[in-house]
Amino acid sequence: DQQVKQNSPSLSVQEGRISILNCDYTNSMFDYFLWYKKYPAEGPTFLISISSIKDKNEDGRFTVFLNKSAKHLSLHIVPSQPGDSAVYFCAASGLVQGAQKLVFGQGTRLTINP
Amino acid sequence: GAGVSQSPRYKVAKRGQDVALRCDPISGHVSLFWYQQALGQGPEFLTYFQNEAQLDKSGLPSDRFFAERPEGSVSTLKIQRTQQEDSAVYLCASRSRGAGETQYFGPGTRLLVL
Repeated sequence: DQQVKQNSPSLSVQEGRISILNCDYTNSMFDYFLWYKKYPAEGPTFLISISSIKDKNEDGRFTVFLNKSAKHLSLHIVPSQPGDSAVYFCAASGLVQGAQKLVFGQGTRLTINP
Repeated sequence: GAGVSQSPRYKVAKRGQDVALRCDPISGHVSLFWYQQALGQGPEFLTYFQNEAQLDKSGLPSDRFFAERPEGSVSTLKIQRTQQEDSAVYLCASRSRGAGETQYFGPGTRLLVL
């Protein structure tokens, strides 16, 4: 059973517009969420995180929104740039002891068109 | 400072061969994780160390997989009698302290079993 789901395998966005990547989770014990970006032949690079006590976290062009009641989070990138083209993974974890691992979604390939 | 490093970056093994994959975490990071990433999927948790103690090995797919971190820094993931289904990218991540801190990933080792 997939506890973290990214239902869009790919997304194409015009440069300068907003990119919105979505992620759903099923386990209500998750209370810490992260977004990673991955280029080919490299490891995932941390982008931004949010804990369940917040519903929004912003860092420059990147904003993550968390809707706990819907078990849904999204990553907004604005404005989108060609260098943002990569695969994006959302991941979830628990802050309680014994729930240390990250559970990842399948990823969304974002392509920014000039 | 230096990030997480992994070696080798690529490994080709014949079925039945034993392999050893190395991870050098960020200096001073207490926690270390191993993940397996199949083609087109998100990373999946294998095992977790806090210092030299292996606290969670629930993700190891079989008893052919073994991980160690004897001095609480460098870790080795060993796969005995490799099978074709072991072909994947093996990612190592380290984290400074407890849950709520970010996991930082290495570039991964791409293993191909023929």
